[in-house]
Amino acid sequence: NAGVTQTPKFQVLKTGQSMTLQCAQDMNHEYMSWYRQDPGMGLRLIHYSVGAGITDQGEVPNGYNVSRSTTEDFPLRLLSAAPSQTSVYFCASGTRSNQPQHFGDGTRLSIL
Amino acid sequence: DQQVKQNSPSLSVQEGRISILNCDYTNSMFDYFLWYKKYPAEGPTFLISISSIKDKNEDGRFTVFLNKSAKHLSLHIVPSQPGDSAVYFCAAKASSNFGNEKLTFGTGTRLTIIP
Repeated sequence: NAGVTQTPKFQVLKTGQSMTLQCAQDMNHEYMSWYRQDPGMGLRLIHYSVGAGITDQGEVPNGYNVSRSTTEDFPLRLLSAAPSQTSVYFCASGTRSNQPQHFGDGTRLSIL
Repeated sequence: DQQVKQNSPSLSVQEGRISILNCDYTNSMFDYFLWYKKYPAEGPTFLISISSIKDKNEDGRFTVFLNKSAKHLSLHIVPSQPGDSAVYFCAAKASSNFGNEKLTFGTGTRLTIIP
């Protein structure tokens, strides 16, 4: 019972580098989302998807891209990393109903 | 503009006593509320939820109360146990947007249970 799996767990990047944070779920959930958690800010929604091929922006989408080619995977791309993107990133998945979303264990990202 | 607010960053409670965590919201479109618990180096895990058609929901030691007129909800943990030490996030959504599961989170309250 893997649930929501995020890789990598930790990453250090230099300003301007690109990288992809991976998120996979094995629960056949339609809804997937990415949040970032910063001190004193709670979790803020970056992008979300209500199904394969459908994505939309959340509260803080600038600097991030997403795609959803399969139900299982929802990668988050940083095209040109900036120090302001240093954060802990959480991926979540859920059904399209009032059921709680399941979160991965997060990716801690540092941009130098 | 913080639509979901948890005004207490931290709370310490003696083991066995009641822990009360508070949450306020400003968006009147919110009609479904959840509490998540988070341990260090782990993702948030769902604890309990409440729909706006109710004013109370209980699950074992955990009870959530909703006061719609005051736009306020609270989580009660009785009795508090050392394993309850964690950060608790309040979250809200407008379920009228069917299929849109966007959650708005509060900033969290760090609960410490003192043995």
